[in-house]
Amino acid sequence: EPEVTQTPSHQVTQMGQEVILRCVPISNHLYFYWYRQILGQKVEFLVSFYNNEISEKSEIFDDQFSVERPDGSNFTLKIRSTKLEDSAMYFCASTTGTGRADTEAFFGQGTRLTVV
Amino acid sequence: AQSVTQLGSHVSVSEGALVLLRCNYSSSVPPYLFWYVQYPNQGLQLLLKYTSAATLVKGINGFEAEFKKSETSFHLTKPSAHMSDAAEYFCAVSNTGRRALTFGSGTRLQVQP
Repeated sequence: EPEVTQTPSHQVTQMGQEVILRCVPISNHLYFYWYRQILGQKVEFLVSFYNNEISEKSEIFDDQFSVERPDGSNFTLKIRSTKLEDSAMYFCASTTGTGRADTEAFFGQGTRLTVV
Repeated sequence: AQSVTQLGSHVSVSEGALVLLRCNYSSSVPPYLFWYVQYPNQGLQLLLKYTSAATLVKGINGFEAEFKKSETSFHLTKPSAHMSDAAEYFCAVSNTGRRALTFGSGTRLQVQP
């Protein structure tokens, strides 16, 4: 069964360093998303990506963050100059290309980012 | 604007008992509603979704949910809990104006033998 895969499963980084979280969406999907969940809090939407550009972003997704689809399979989230409060579980998701809001999102297992 | 409220961060039931997980939403336009489940060390998996067709929605693993517009609710139920149902359950909403999901805070279900 096709699945979204994320690497690494756990990343520890020093405050101020840059990190790149990687995702391989399902191969025929066209919409890609990043969500995060700070421990004990809600899963929050960060950004969606379609046709090689950001289609929607939340107020969380500021200049510290960027996304990229560097090739035909990977989708990355870059966090520059990490802060302690960036520690969270980051989920990648993808959906088919219909663009409909009722489409099922398929989620990866998450990357736990710990900033020390 | 849209939001989701899940009442009860932890719910404990006995094996074989009814499972009821509560979800209330607010949305300025007709919503699409989802229940996702997260097992330990796994990603979020769709249980079921409401997309303006039947108000009673059946999902995987014997779960179902009923959309009640008058109560702005989308509660998740299962007649008889199994030990394997122990997980965290998330209610989420989207709409035509906001494709991204807005999640509730989640409910951790414990099933006692």
